Amino acid sequence: DAGVTQSPTHLIKTRGQHVTLRCSPISGHKSVSWYQQVLGQGPQFIFQYYEKEERGRGNFPDRFSARQFPNYSSELNVNALLLGDSALYLCASSSFQSSYNSPLHFGNGTRLTVT
Amino acid sequence: QKEVEQNSGPLSVPEGAIASLNCTYSDRGSQSFFWYRQYSGKSPELIMFIYSNGDKEDGRFTAQLNKASQYVSLLIRDSQPSDSATYLCAVPAGVGAGSYQLTFGKGTKLSVIP
Repeated sequence: DAGVTQSPTHLIKTRGQHVTLRCSPISGHKSVSWYQQVLGQGPQFIFQYYEKEERGRGNFPDRFSARQFPNYSSELNVNALLLGDSALYLCASSSFQSSYNSPLHFGNGTRLTVT
Repeated sequence: QKEVEQNSGPLSVPEGAIASLNCTYSDRGSQSFFWYRQYSGKSPELIMFIYSNGDKEDGRFTAQLNKASQYVSLLIRDSQPSDSATYLCAVPAGVGAGSYQLTFGKGTKLSVIP
């Protein structure tokens, strides 16, 4: 079975530009989450979607937005990029909405560099 | 603000030894706990999860949970150079249904010396 897939794997953008990152969850998983990981830190929660509805939002500015499609894939959008947005963006999926007995499985991530 | 604390290391152990990684958490109501392994430049990979007090074993890995003391640990027996990685402890931000958010520690970097 295919795991969580993310695209693109690497991306270089200029300050002020916009970026869209894409994620396909494991087949049968209805919950998709996005995390940002800067060098030397643990992943930080950005969004969670379950059954196409936003179920959680982390402490990120409104420049960050996301959505989930009917096939459960998801997009993360970031507007007006800042140098500080440079990070590894991780998508994760799980079978259920809550953590109990349903671990998160991460994709390989998208490495975003903002210059 | 729920917090998860880990010693950032690096923790160096000789090949064949037991590596012990520790994690403390602030929310006494936390019910489940996850250990992820992350190789440099790669994404986190789930290696263990535990819900009940006590020990859970999976191959060379043992997770230990002590809810009274609010710590969870990961033991790696017969450590191998391939175990060299950063180990992330993660705790759900909320209890029960509603949303699924994990709070991660900063990770402990483990180096297994041949």
